[in-house]
Amino acid sequence: GAVVSQHPSWVICKSGTSVKIECRSLDFQATTMFWYRQFPKQSLMLMATSNEGSKATYEQGVEKDKFLINHASLTLSTLTVTSAHPEDSSFYICSQRGLAGNEQFFGPGTRLTVL
Amino acid sequence: QKEVEQNSGPLSVPEGAIASLNCTYSDRGSQSFFWYRQYSGKSPELIMSIYSNGDKEDGRFTAQLNKASQYVSLLIRDSQPSDSATYLCAVSYTGNQFYFGTGTSLTVIP
Repeated sequence: GAVVSQHPSWVICKSGTSVKIECRSLDFQATTMFWYRQFPKQSLMLMATSNEGSKATYEQGVEKDKFLINHASLTLSTLTVTSAHPEDSSFYICSQRGLAGNEQFFGPGTRLTVL
Repeated sequence: QKEVEQNSGPLSVPEGAIASLNCTYSDRGSQSFFWYRQYSGKSPELIMSIYSNGDKEDGRFTAQLNKASQYVSLLIRDSQPSDSATYLCAVSYTGNQFYFGTGTSLTVIP
């Protein structure tokens, strides 16, 4: 499989502030990582695909100026939620493909609460 | 629109019984199929992957795929209380984009 870490595991912030979430690949280099969001009692929704050295690909309906993704190295992708609002409160999870290329392995997730 | 449907449950089975989880998908071009287990408050954990028609067994878990019926299932034999979780079915067409079902909540009663 693949080992993925995320930091922080949880964060509480005030409305209007920005929050950065880090996603690290611990066992091999990842040119592509994925960012998901999960609201309570709902399934995972892909927000964007993070590509090392190039712009992220965002899914329809996801504001790229609000959810800034940077994949500056082969082991680190970051998601910044800018000007966070209570409706952005969610469970954010990143993933990467395994060495076989077909499966996805998830990080532990970051629970964001915006007051 | 690629859709993945699962019964939301909750599904309750007694300890030691077989739990059967079902999933249907809409895109006939789907190539890869996965089952993930998600404990409350945690991220999904890959249990099984299956790519061709038939059964694939791994320990107490068996995944079954029928592409003609666009159906994939997961059987859990000798269910244990630790199997209590939400099980997510995921389908992939290109290898990048994963489409997830809403999950089936399973409770194994001791």
